[in-house]
Amino acid sequence: RKEVEQDPGPFNVPEGATVAFNCTYSNSASQSFFWYRQDCRKEPKLLMSVYSSGNEDGRFTAQLNRASQYISLLIRDSKLSDSATYLCVVNMRDDMRFGAGTRLTVKP
Amino acid sequence: DAGVIQSPRHEVTEMGQEVTLRCKPISGHDYLFWYRQTMMRGLELLIYFNNNVPIDDSGMPEDRFSAKMPNASFSTLKIQPSEPRDSAVYFCASSGRDTTNEKLFFGSGTQLSVL
Repeated sequence: RKEVEQDPGPFNVPEGATVAFNCTYSNSASQSFFWYRQDCRKEPKLLMSVYSSGNEDGRFTAQLNRASQYISLLIRDSKLSDSATYLCVVNMRDDMRFGAGTRLTVKP
Repeated sequence: DAGVIQSPRHEVTEMGQEVTLRCKPISGHDYLFWYRQTMMRGLELLIYFNNNVPIDDSGMPEDRFSAKMPNASFSTLKIQPSEPRDSAVYFCASSGRDTTNEKLFFGSGTQLSVL
């Protein structure tokens, strides 16, 4: 079993739609969690950290479920510019393990 | 700050040749990570350093791969001999003292093609 697993997608949604991604992790001792965004042929960049109580940043909401060992990312009112690959990241022992990413395409 | 700097941006080489990828982390960052990204396997952690010391190299695929960090401002990833299956984008990333809350800053990556 992979340490961090994501549905690769692709997710194709119309502008304005709400879309959700999930990510599961295998190590229950994992310490911290993040969502990164990667545009085509670019390096990954931090989108947001994921806190135990859940957190929101504008149209983006991240949640953590430690009991079930998954994190989620919700994007509301999706924009064309949200088209990218979304990577979940789990910090287990100061290492930073990435999921394979979920590709999102937002269409007009 | 210039960010994480990787060189070269692109490398095309023939099978059997030695390849050296270079990385300069952000000044003051204590952690340095090497990743490899392919369509099939996604972003794989190869090795990471803390204060110039390799902490976990379990992701290094085989003995052909080696990484060094002789000082806080420089790291190399070497493949010798290279093989076509090593073709990928190799990213270097750095972060501050506490990876629990510190984000990773990535370089622009090295696109490696082994013919």
